[in-house]
Amino acid sequence: GAVVSQHPSWVICKSGTSVKIECRSLDFQATTMFWYRQFPKQSLMLMATSNEGSKATYEQGVEKDKFLINHASLTLSTLTVTSAHPEDSSFYICSAPDREYTGELFFGEGSRLTVL
Amino acid sequence: GENVEQHPSTLSVQEGDSAVIKCTYSDSASNYFPWYKQELGKGPQLIIDIRSNVGEKKDQRIAVTLNKTAKHFSLHITETQPEDSAVYFCAASIPRANAGKSTFGDGTTLTVKP
Repeated sequence: GAVVSQHPSWVICKSGTSVKIECRSLDFQATTMFWYRQFPKQSLMLMATSNEGSKATYEQGVEKDKFLINHASLTLSTLTVTSAHPEDSSFYICSAPDREYTGELFFGEGSRLTVL
Repeated sequence: GENVEQHPSTLSVQEGDSAVIKCTYSDSASNYFPWYKQELGKGPQLIIDIRSNVGEKKDQRIAVTLNKTAKHFSLHITETQPEDSAVYFCAASIPRANAGKSTFGDGTTLTVKP
């Protein structure tokens, strides 16, 4: 199956700094990618849909200025958590649908963000 | 929009026993129902899926059944092994209508005791 790589797998940062998480489709092109946030023992909460060459579509309640998403190429989407605070600490995961949009999602390995 | 409910939230079984996880969905237009397995600290991975034109699908120890009329689908794992311990998520989507966007259940934590 297709491979989605996410980097970094974990990051610790100080409060007030910004952190960038990358999501790459390694062997296929992804015009769409999804970003999720997952709290311990909870489900995947969709934050936004990243669209190559255009603005991301954010879910209700997600702060656009806090979670900046850029999808500059067909293989790379980035999520930047700006001015991070301890409450932003979480597990962030990206996914990409297969090219034919048959339904399957290919997930990255996830990124654990800890804000001190 | 779509709403997916998943039960139970936790499930503990003895090695070798079967495990069943159930999901219901609300949007009758949904036609793709995958199951993902998520191990601790990792991203989810697809283990099996079913489309609305099929009632049952099996892959070795894993099977999924779909009842479109009742709008529910289930994951069945037979002869469970300790390595089956993980969190399992069901999902529902209308792939070509939403570019693959899926609605997920809340997850089931399966523990298989040796």
